[in-house]
Amino acid sequence: NAGVMQNPRHLVRRRGQEARLRCSPMKGHSHVYWYRQLPEEGLKFMVYLQKENIIDESGMPKERFSAEFPKEGPSILRIQQVVRGDSAAYFCASSPPNKNTGELFFGEGSRLTVL
Amino acid sequence: DQQVKQNSPSLSVQEGRISILNCDYTNSMFDYFLWYKKYPAEGPTFLISISSIKDKNEDGRFTVFLNKSAKHLSLHIVPSQPGDSAVYFCAARWGSAGGTSYGKLTFGQGTILTVHP
Repeated sequence: NAGVMQNPRHLVRRRGQEARLRCSPMKGHSHVYWYRQLPEEGLKFMVYLQKENIIDESGMPKERFSAEFPKEGPSILRIQQVVRGDSAAYFCASSPPNKNTGELFFGEGSRLTVL
Repeated sequence: DQQVKQNSPSLSVQEGRISILNCDYTNSMFDYFLWYKKYPAEGPTFLISISSIKDKNEDGRFTVFLNKSAKHLSLHIVPSQPGDSAVYFCAARWGSAGGTSYGKLTFGQGTILTVHP
């Protein structure tokens, strides 16, 4: 009965490198969301995906950020050419297809530090 | 543009007393409001929600009140316990068309609740 699994839990990158964060939703959940929490702030929506489809990416920065949720395997949030401002906690959440109340199940987060 | 605001960064309460956490919002298109609890180094955990057509929802020690005219909601915890000490986030969900499951939430900044034994 595993929950939402995220890895790595901690990631350190130097400016200009790439960061890849992975998320496996709860069993039976087909909807995945990525949120970002900057220090001292609330969580900010980034992107909503279903299998092989990006449904809403209105919260994603236009450059350097991309997300996917392939038919097989975890969802991946990719940040190219990281900058110090990308340092944050990135949370993945999932929901079942028939739940329509906004209730999300969150993973423990991936904490990205850019040196 | 902060559409969901939690104006109290922190709240300190004695064990056994009531904790009241407040949240204000500006967007009338929100259709669900939710409260999440978060411990350090963990992800948020869902606590309780309320539909915009209701004014109260209760689940054990937790009750959420919604005042649509004031665009204000509050979470009451009675009685408060030391294990309730955490950061509490208020969140609001955009109304979705077609009844699709949609988890695009707008979060407040959070309130740190400390319950003293």
